Amino acid sequence: SQKIEQNSEALNIQEGKTATLTCNYTNYSPAYLQWYRQDPGRGPVFLLLIRENEKEKRKERLKVTFDTTLKQSLFHITASQPADSATYLCALDPYSGGGADGLTFGKGTHLIIQP
Amino acid sequence: KAGVTQTPRYLIKTRGQQVTLSCSPISGHRSVSWYQQTPGQGLQFLFEYFSETQRNKGNFPGRFSGRQFSNSRSEMNVSTLELGDSALYLCASSSDGFNTEAFFGQGTRLTVV
Repeated sequence: SQKIEQNSEALNIQEGKTATLTCNYTNYSPAYLQWYRQDPGRGPVFLLLIRENEKEKRKERLKVTFDTTLKQSLFHITASQPADSATYLCALDPYSGGGADGLTFGKGTHLIIQP
Repeated sequence: KAGVTQTPRYLIKTRGQQVTLSCSPISGHRSVSWYQQTPGQGLQFLFEYFSETQRNKGNFPGRFSGRQFSNSRSEMNVSTLELGDSALYLCASSSDGFNTEAFFGQGTRLTVV
């Protein structure tokens, strides 16, 4: 069955360092992958979308890579700040399984940036 | 531009009752999706509406239903509530579906007692 894995444990990073979050998937061949940020009690906020033919995408301090051979995406936050503390979710396109059934989300990684 | 608005924000219902949640998408967006979020299962897709038609449906029982109006506003209904339906229900709108960014509302926190 299709599966998305994100590190379910909290990730503690010191302020100013680069935070790297991982999203692994199995039994998928997604055409694209999205990353969202979610703060407690709020809905997810879109950050980046990367397509299968793109190896890397950047937006300000954020960088996403997409390796379809490894079936993995890495999400980097450089020069991390305490305000970056949140849960980060990866989501795969629904069409890779042959039908559209909504974005499929990982359970998220809770990132904590220590001042 | 106003964001996605969900009402109510919080709701407490009793087992066996039914509930209706509302979602107003971003102006001009025709696709509205609904998700259920729980600590154990994470975010799970319920259904998607596009131009008043249900275009996609997740793996939830028939007690969960929805509809979309001509102004793109959407409602979801859960009948015969169960304790396990307690969750954060999120609505997301996008311009044309899943291959573009989704804008989520704040969610409705439903507690079934």
